[in-house]
Amino acid sequence: AQSVTQLDSHVSVSEGTPVLLRCNYSSSYSPSLFWYVQHPNKGLQLLLKYTSAATLVKGINGFEAEFKKSETSFHLTKPSAHMSDAAEYFCVVSDQESGGGNKLTFGTGTQLKVEL
Amino acid sequence: NAGVMQNPRHLVRRRGQEARLRCSPMKGHSHVYWYRQLPEEGLKFMVYLQKENIIDESGMPKERFSAEFPKEGPSILRIQQVVRGDSAAYFCASSRMPWTGGDEKLFFGSGTQLSVL
Repeated sequence: AQSVTQLDSHVSVSEGTPVLLRCNYSSSYSPSLFWYVQHPNKGLQLLLKYTSAATLVKGINGFEAEFKKSETSFHLTKPSAHMSDAAEYFCVVSDQESGGGNKLTFGTGTQLKVEL
Repeated sequence: NAGVMQNPRHLVRRRGQEARLRCSPMKGHSHVYWYRQLPEEGLKFMVYLQKENIIDESGMPKERFSAEFPKEGPSILRIQQVVRGDSAAYFCASSRMPWTGGDEKLFFGSGTQLSVL
């Protein structure tokens, strides 16, 4: 069975400061891991994904995430927050054993607020 | 390409009524996935359909819920005799080929917020 835990339901940062959104996962097999972002009234958008290649994954809009197997973590970071980054962020795991988008497991989401 | 279109954006129903949620996948996509997001929870898989076929419905409640993806027209998620616990955001995603987390991209719609009074 797979699961994902997003440790913070809300994160607030000042514009220009670093962003850290935490995610821990549980998976019986080698997982694929993803971060999605959801802006108000928009669909989910893929930020980045890890699929057993390089452990440091770079995504769109300056975001990156590092897969740490020993810590079962896949935290999302950005060096400098922008006002447009304010949104809901979802950490997602897909177990390779089960495979397929139909077996995605989503975290409960982290609401990122960016203040001036 | 308009992306994955879901309608309506908001749907209000009284207990016992039927709810129909529509999802038009991206052009050229024949694989559709439905997810439900209950309040304070993450998205949970409901059903995976390919044109005219249900591939995996392991996440669908056994009663009152059904889904279809006809040869022509959008995919429909149908909830009969709605109850308050059905209130949630329902998301649809589509892909050109079966999505396995590799290079194939999965695109999500904006969701339908169902409120049951």
